[in-house]
Amino acid sequence: GENVEQHPSTLSVQEGDSAVIKCTYSDSASNYFPWYKQELGKGPQLIIDIRSNVGEKKDQRIAVTLNKTAKHFSLHITETQPEDSAVYFCAARGGGAGANNLFFGTGTRLTVIP
Amino acid sequence: DTGVSQNPRHKITKRGQNVTFRCDPISEHNRLYWYRQTLGQGPEFLTYFQNEAQLEKSRLLSDRFSAERPKGSFSTLEIQRTEQGDSAMYLCASSWDRATEAFFGQGTRLTVV
Repeated sequence: GENVEQHPSTLSVQEGDSAVIKCTYSDSASNYFPWYKQELGKGPQLIIDIRSNVGEKKDQRIAVTLNKTAKHFSLHITETQPEDSAVYFCAARGGGAGANNLFFGTGTRLTVIP
Repeated sequence: DTGVSQNPRHKITKRGQNVTFRCDPISEHNRLYWYRQTLGQGPEFLTYFQNEAQLEKSRLLSDRFSAERPKGSFSTLEIQRTEQGDSAMYLCASSWDRATEAFFGQGTRLTVV
């Protein structure tokens, strides 16, 4: 099955700085890579996703890049704000007909210091 | 609010008791997923439904766990003879189909004492 690794496990940045979270995956057939933000006591919230036919996607202050050859993808948050503080999870979904669920990384706790 | 709804939000039960959770997916979403999340970990897949059919179960889903989606709308997840190791957040997600985004509910936090 798919194995997703995520780094770092914790990240502290000053407000206004950028934050980068990196993930690697093992299954070369994986073709969909979403990122979720989870606040304390809440469910994961989809913030951005990318499919394997695209190398980069941007939505305001958030961007995701994908390197299929190296099997890694990254989340970039620019101009961080205190409300960006949360746990972020990357995930991957396989490309085979039987690949129906998401495999998640272990999460990155982001703290934005005002 | 038209998001995924889960009830109850919290459940405390004694070891050995049975518990049942409910998930109401986003309207018209055909796929419904159950995940389990333990402290400090990412969600782990348990099972999913395509309409009313349960099409895949993880090896994490022991025979004490059963899930249903009788009319292809809401779903229930029952855990029989709960154990302390069942303590976790149980998350439900739904999507239109396999290729589209999955949206999660707020989860049900189960504590087995």
